[in-house]
Amino acid sequence: NAGVTQTPKFQVLKTGQSMTLQCAQDMNHEYMSWYRQDPGMGLRLIHYSVGAGITDQGEVPNGYNVSRSTTEDFPLRLLSAAPSQTSVYFCASSYSWGRREKLFFGSGTQLSVL
Amino acid sequence: EDQVTQSPEALRLQEGESSSLNCSYTVSGLRGLFWYRQDPGKGPEFLFTLYSAGEEKEKERLKATLTKKESFLHITAPKPEDSATYLCAVQAPETSGSRLTFGEGTQLTVNP
Repeated sequence: NAGVTQTPKFQVLKTGQSMTLQCAQDMNHEYMSWYRQDPGMGLRLIHYSVGAGITDQGEVPNGYNVSRSTTEDFPLRLLSAAPSQTSVYFCASSYSWGRREKLFFGSGTQLSVL
Repeated sequence: EDQVTQSPEALRLQEGESSSLNCSYTVSGLRGLFWYRQDPGKGPEFLFTLYSAGEEKEKERLKATLTKKESFLHITAPKPEDSATYLCAVQAPETSGSRLTFGEGTQLTVNP
């Protein structure tokens, strides 16, 4: 059971380049999300999905796009990278039972934009 | 707006020296309060979820407690392998689907 898998682990981009951060989960979780982690700011929600075909914006969505065509995959797209997007990105998936929920995180992608 | 404040920012302990980490929160109702452990270069690892004031949960040397305004993570007789950053997060009642508000974390170092 691999859990939440993120690729790549490291990436360096030039300003204006585009790329996609991949996220896949094999736990059949309905919910998935993307967070970024910056020093002194904690984890902040970028986008989230409550099921295949359904996505919505989180706290810091500007500059990022997402789609969810399958339950397993939730890629994050940077259309035109900016230095302000230098960060560590974490994908998470979760399931809920009643009002209870448990989140599982991937190992992260460290992105540098020059 | 949901807010989470963790203190202290950093804590150094000697092996065996018990202490507590604090997580103060402001949320319109509480669906759940989460504690995670994060090691350098890795993703957060789930520790506990607390749902109502008065609830307590334990795992090895860790014990989490919850009141209406804050949560404590008590570490009893810590060992060097407990060194990590501990993250607190809250989930509001109207949210679901991996949507948490995180604090900045407490970096714990346990010296042998």
